[in-house]
This record gives sequence, C-alpha cells and structure tokens, in this order.
Amino acid sequence: DTAVSQTPKYLVTQMGNDKSIKCEQNLGHDTMYWYKQDSKKFLKIMFSYNNKELIINETVPNRFSPKSPDKAHLNLHINSLELGDSAVYFCASSQDVGEDRGADTQYFGPGTRLTVL
Amino acid sequence: GQNIDQPTEMTATEGAIVQINCTYQTSGFNGLFWYQQHAGEAPTFLSYNVLDGLEEKGRFSSFLSRSKGYSYLLLKELQMKDSASYLCAVRVLMIYNQGGKLIFGQGTELSVKP
Repeated sequence: DTAVSQTPKYLVTQMGNDKSIKCEQNLGHDTMYWYKQDSKKFLKIMFSYNNKELIINETVPNRFSPKSPDKAHLNLHINSLELGDSAVYFCASSQDVGEDRGADTQYFGPGTRLTVL
Repeated sequence: GQNIDQPTEMTATEGAIVQINCTYQTSGFNGLFWYQQHAGEAPTFLSYNVLDGLEEKGRFSSFLSRSKGYSYLLLKELQMKDSASYLCAVRVLMIYNQGGKLIFGQGTELSVKP
C-alpha cells in the first residue's frame, strides 16, 4: 500500500563516489519531484518531472542528474559526492489539475538520509 | 525574490490551542499548503488554501489572506503527538511551462508539554 517509496533509506559513502537514489509512486500521479532537506530542516525543490519531461531544474550542480524512465519512477544520480551533499533527500509526487502540472497536493516519500564522509 | 517566514519554535500545553503564523512574499502565488513533519519522517499534508478564508479539518484549521500575504495554522485540543515541525509552503506557478513548485518556510518546531 506504499504510495511513494524510496530506496535506500540510508546511504553512507565516501567523498568522490557516485551514488543513486530510486523513487517509485503507485498513485498514478503525473508529476514527481526531488527535494533536499538540509541540517537546518529547510526543504528545497531540486527537480520536477511531468510525464517524463523535465519541468523544474533549480540551480543544482550538474553533478546531480535526475532520470525518469516512466511517469511512476524518478531516480537521482549524484556524481563525485561532496561533504555538502549530506542531507535528507525526499521524493514526492502530485496529480495534474487540468493543464496545471502537478497542481494537486504533493505526497512525500520516506526520505533517504545521505551521509558523505 | 521569494520569501516565506514562520517562527522557528513554539511551545504549548496539552489540551490548549496554538496558532502558527506564516507570512510570504512570492510572485505567481497559486495556493498555500501546511505540512506536518515528525522527526525523521516525511512531511505529511495537513491543509490547503487557495482562496481567502478559513478551512477547517477536525482539530486543524488554516486561514489565508492573499492581500496581506498571511496564513495561519490553528491546532485545537493539543495532544502530545502534535509535537512536530509545521511547514508552510507556497505554490508558485511558472507560466512558461504550466508547472508549479512549492517554496517552503523553515518550519516551526512545536513542543507540546503535559
């Protein structure tokens, strides 16, 4: 019955490594998002995809690359990890309302706590 | 720029009422959301306002005044389990691609004491 799921829940890795986080939603939503929540609890949008099309790309280093193989999945790949990438990464999804993409309520996954050593 | 302000922390007593305020300055306003986030968990949806006025949902109510750029979340009959962070988020619409994004405030950490 999980609505938005992410794997892994915890990720500990060394600086310079490359890692991926996966997200899946079974709500039938059209739009999916990646957010970063730093140590001060600030939740900030990184990317959003609507039906596999990238529609939001905030000022995120290009070491971060999202990929949406279909509208139920949105993965996040991070190259050359840095200490400052340590945070909790949340995936979310929402439904379109008419032509307004993702206008309905966003539902969040459980988060992936990334620690870069 | 886009700016959302809410108090960092609040304390209240079990059984009482607490009001958490949120002020915002954004362009392309397209609705205001309140989320609850317990420590180590995901944000969960509480309420949504797009028109001025009060929305009531059980023990939780949310108010919006678009002309003042102001919202509040009202929690009644506080319970210990209401201790959490409350996030105010404004949805802004991007006309060029008919997409929108949520801009979050820093969150208000509410502690409910017996």
